[in-house]
Formats: sequence, structure tokens, C-alpha cells
Amino acid sequence: QQQVKQSPQSLIVQKGGISIINCAYENTAFDYFPWYQQFPGKGPALLIAIRPDVSEKKEGRFTISFNKSAKQFSLHIMDSQPGDSATYFCAAYDGTASKLTFGTGTRLQVTL
Amino acid sequence: DGGITQSPKYLFRKEGQNVTLSCEQNLNHDAMYWYRQDPGQGLRLIYYSQIVNDFQKGDIAEGYSVSREKKESFPLTVTSAQKNPTAFYLCASSTRQGRRQETQYFGPGTRLLVL
Repeated sequence: QQQVKQSPQSLIVQKGGISIINCAYENTAFDYFPWYQQFPGKGPALLIAIRPDVSEKKEGRFTISFNKSAKQFSLHIMDSQPGDSATYFCAAYDGTASKLTFGTGTRLQVTL
Repeated sequence: DGGITQSPKYLFRKEGQNVTLSCEQNLNHDAMYWYRQDPGQGLRLIYYSQIVNDFQKGDIAEGYSVSREKKESFPLTVTSAQKNPTAFYLCASSTRQGRRQETQYFGPGTRLLVL
């Protein structure tokens, strides 16, 4: 049972375009939603995160949009660059269980 | 230079052999975690430990064992009972102080291959 569903599995975007990755969850106990970026052969690194009391959070070219009623959240990468090519994981944290649940990942390729 | 180190980077296991993956952190974090990463399946939790000398099973603990004798170290043993051990193994840690425990910091990973 996949508690955090992530789509698409892979994404190809031209340089300068907008990359959009979507996630959905069911567990209402989730209270923190981070996104991790992972380069090949490396461990994931925290990119940006949001709490459900806000609808949007922006850090540079990266924005999280959060829809609490729909139980959905998404990552937008503006002005995508070749250096953004990586695998992106959404995740959801259950504070009562102290457990982080990951989506299945999106492999992003930004072409020139 | 604070962080999480994992060794070795690559590990080869023969059939029926137990192997141990090392994870060390100098972030002074209480909580440590082991994840397994397979293509298309994201990260799945194997074991976690919130404090020294205590650990709990995650979602896919069968065929694995851990120990937590020191705060800085959380080694993972892949036993011969794990029939499909080929994967990328990631160690992570976090503080247990309030909301800061939500953020997990990952090591560089160990890739385990079966000969």
C-alpha cells in the first residue's frame, strides 16, 4: 500500500521550462511535507518543505503548492536548468509515529 | 566537518553470506535510520533507532539486523535470509528535538551486489 503516490515517474523538460511533480496522500496524520533531491550515486538531500497550514512556499526557483482539502502537494521548478537533472522524492512525516514516508520518485532530465 | 559516512561504497555478497554495512554520524543526532532504495520503489524503511540500545523494525525488516551500541554508529547486517539483497542502502539521522526531528540527513549510500 503506497501511502504517498508520486507522479510522473519520469519527466523531460527543456532548459528554461517549468518542471512539475505531483504527490498525493491519504493519511491525515501527516503534518510535514519535504521534498528531497538525489543525484546519481548520492544520498538524498532536503530541498524544500512545507507544513499544511500554508498553501505555498517558495525558495528561489523551487515552489511547493499544497492543497490540504485535496490531500495533494506539488513541486514546481521554474526556469529549469541542466543542473536540476536528478531524482526528486516527495515525502510525508507523521509526527505521532515519528515516521517519514517517501513517494516512489521522479527522474527529471532537463535538456539543452 | 559534520555529516554521515557510510562504508563501503560498494559491497559484494556471496550466496549464504552475511555482510555488514557501516554508518557513522558526527551530528550528535539521537535517531538513526536505514532505508533500502530500489528502482521505481522509492525509499523503504528497514530499521530505525531513536536512542542508544533501542531499535524498531521498519516496513521491510525481514532478513536484516541492526545494533545501536553507540550514539554515533548504527550498523546494518544483511543476513543470508534476505533473498534479494541487491539494492542501494541509505543511512540517515535526525535530531529528536521538537519539530527538527522531521528532517532526516542522509549518507552517501552503499550499493550491495550479489555475486
